[in-house]
Amino acid sequence: AQKITQTQPGMFVQEKEAVTLDCTYDTSDPSYGLFWYKQPSSGEMIFLIYQGSYDQQNATEGRYSLNFQKARKSANLVISASQLGDSAMYFCAMREGNTGFQKLVFGTGTRLLVSP
Amino acid sequence: DTEVTQTPKHLVMGMTNKKSLKCEQHMGHRAMYWYKQKAKKPPELMFVYSYEKLSINESVPSRFSPECPNSSLLNLHLHALQPEDSALYLCASSQGADTGELFFGEGSRLTVL
Repeated sequence: AQKITQTQPGMFVQEKEAVTLDCTYDTSDPSYGLFWYKQPSSGEMIFLIYQGSYDQQNATEGRYSLNFQKARKSANLVISASQLGDSAMYFCAMREGNTGFQKLVFGTGTRLLVSP
Repeated sequence: DTEVTQTPKHLVMGMTNKKSLKCEQHMGHRAMYWYKQKAKKPPELMFVYSYEKLSINESVPSRFSPECPNSSLLNLHLHALQPEDSALYLCASSQGADTGELFFGEGSRLTVL
């Protein structure tokens, strides 16, 4: 079974608009971490934001925020005020607590295109 | 600029060649990783090193041989690869093996002829 599901293969947004990238996850471990990474065409995976399963508040990092709905097992990424440089592939990833190691499992990704 | 440096950025090799990919980080991280990413797919974990010891091998074929000479360096030795091994190989590091986010390099794009 897929542990991380990203149902949007591609998303389009106009510059300065907000966009939400969906991510749902599946785990029975009470301790887990959720990550979002951006991968531009250069190939590097750039860390954006992290949410721990026990965190009471939704994570925010600048223009990025994570809409964490634990009961629904969703961890959507919200990018506010999109910029042309936000065009990239975005991956949601999860680390389950019981592995003891950073075994990040990635979703299939969403390609975001920001237009002027 | 990424703080994880990978060389070479591009590599073309024949199936009988022996080559190596190199990865270096100077952030004092104690865990390092190799991921493989095929085109239009997510990265898949290959190996995890924690404190210079191999902690996880995700059933990777022996034609891929990792090496961690010290806490800053990670190599991936390649021998007798197949064309289906062509992919982007990403190195990453983290503060600990179970803490902190992973910092990735830009990857080494490998083509096996």
